[in-house]
Formats: sequence, C-alpha cells, structure tokens
Amino acid sequence: QVQLVQSGAEVKRPGASVKISCQASGYTFTSYTMHWVRQAPGQRPEWMGWINPGNGNTKYSQKFQGRLTINRDTSASTAYMELSSLRSEDTAVYYCARDPAYDLWSGFFDYWGQGTLVTVSS
Amino acid sequence: DIQMTQSPSSLSASVGDRVTITCRASQTISNFLNWYQQRPGRAPKLLIYVSSNLQSGVPSRFSGSRSGTDFTLTISSLEPEDFATYYCQQSYSAPITFGQGTRLEIK
Repeated sequence: QVQLVQSGAEVKRPGASVKISCQASGYTFTSYTMHWVRQAPGQRPEWMGWINPGNGNTKYSQKFQGRLTINRDTSASTAYMELSSLRSEDTAVYYCARDPAYDLWSGFFDYWGQGTLVTVSS
Repeated sequence: DIQMTQSPSSLSASVGDRVTITCRASQTISNFLNWYQQRPGRAPKLLIYVSSNLQSGVPSRFSGSRSGTDFTLTISSLEPEDFATYYCQQSYSAPITFGQGTRLEIK
C-alpha cells in the first residue's frame, strides 16, 4: 500500500533553515509527482511546490521563491523540502502529498504524509 | 492567483441530514476542482476530484457537481464520522489554492 512517512517535528530559531524528508513506499517513486503543502494553525492548506522525482524538475509557488528547495534521492525513494530564513509565520504542519497522475501532473493529492510540525520561535 | 471562496464557513447538522457546501472560484477553472475532508490532527483526505469523480474508497454518500464557476459538495445522509472540516482546492493553474474551509459540526 502507498505510504509517505515524514521526518519528525522540528523547533527552529528565526533565520534558521529546516529540512524535512518524505520517504515513499508501495509504488514507483519516480513515476508520480510529489507536492509539498503546509498548514498553519487554524488556517487553510497552502501549496508550496512540487518535484518530478523522475527527472528532478521542480516548480515553486512564487511566495516561497528564493527560500524553498525541493529535491529527491531516488535510491532512497525520498523527497526533501528545505525552507530557509525561517520566521514565526512559517510555524505550520508541513505535508508531502502525492499527485495521482502517472508521469504527469494533475494538481491534486491522493496520498499524504502524516505531517511534520515545524515551530519557529526565539 | 485564483481565489477560492467556500460557503458557509461553518455548518451545524444532525446525523442523517443532507448537507451541501459551495465553493466559488475567482475565475474560470473548468472542472479542476477537488474536495478534501480533514479531521483534527490528521492530513486532508481526498474525497472528490475533477469536480465530480469519487475517489476510490470514499462512500457514495459524497458527491460533487459544478454549475459555471460554482461547485458543490453534497453529503446525502450524514454519518457521525463526517463531522470534520472540508476544503475545496483548484488544480487549474499554479499556484494551487484552497478554500478557507467549512467546519461541519454536530447539532
């Protein structure tokens, strides 16, 4: 069965960076786009960007341009999301989420990781 | 960016009720509208994709429809496990955007 398992909660100081992993199993990792979505407390989900694990191509929301890096390790079936220059407004649960389109992009999400809470506080 | 607006923001209903939640896009998104259910402390769960397609494993009491730029999620007969927050999401163009959510509570 498809599973996305994320790394554990993080506490960071303002200005620091955070890197979260998302290990996929139960399907061919390189055949499905992986998205990253975050959700601040009490807020709607917010899409951050995606990676095509097959070729490494990425697309980021303009909001995070310059601060966000998404990459992958195909040998480990793992996607990574790194956000730099953290501020208090980045406190949120961060999710990886699989795009169900095979070798394409559908823009919605059929499987989600369990979420990783990132707390940014001085 | 495409703005997604849901109504109502909250809703009280009883087990067995029929409920509808509406989502409106700020511009045309064709049929590229998806619905999710989120329970507290859990990741969102895909219910409906591309306006009216029921995700595998989702009960048939959930359905989706479209009328122009307005989209509707209908739950035909509420079950206790349906009390949650529901989000619409457009996948027409990046950046992908979500509605503000509709909290469905037990009356």
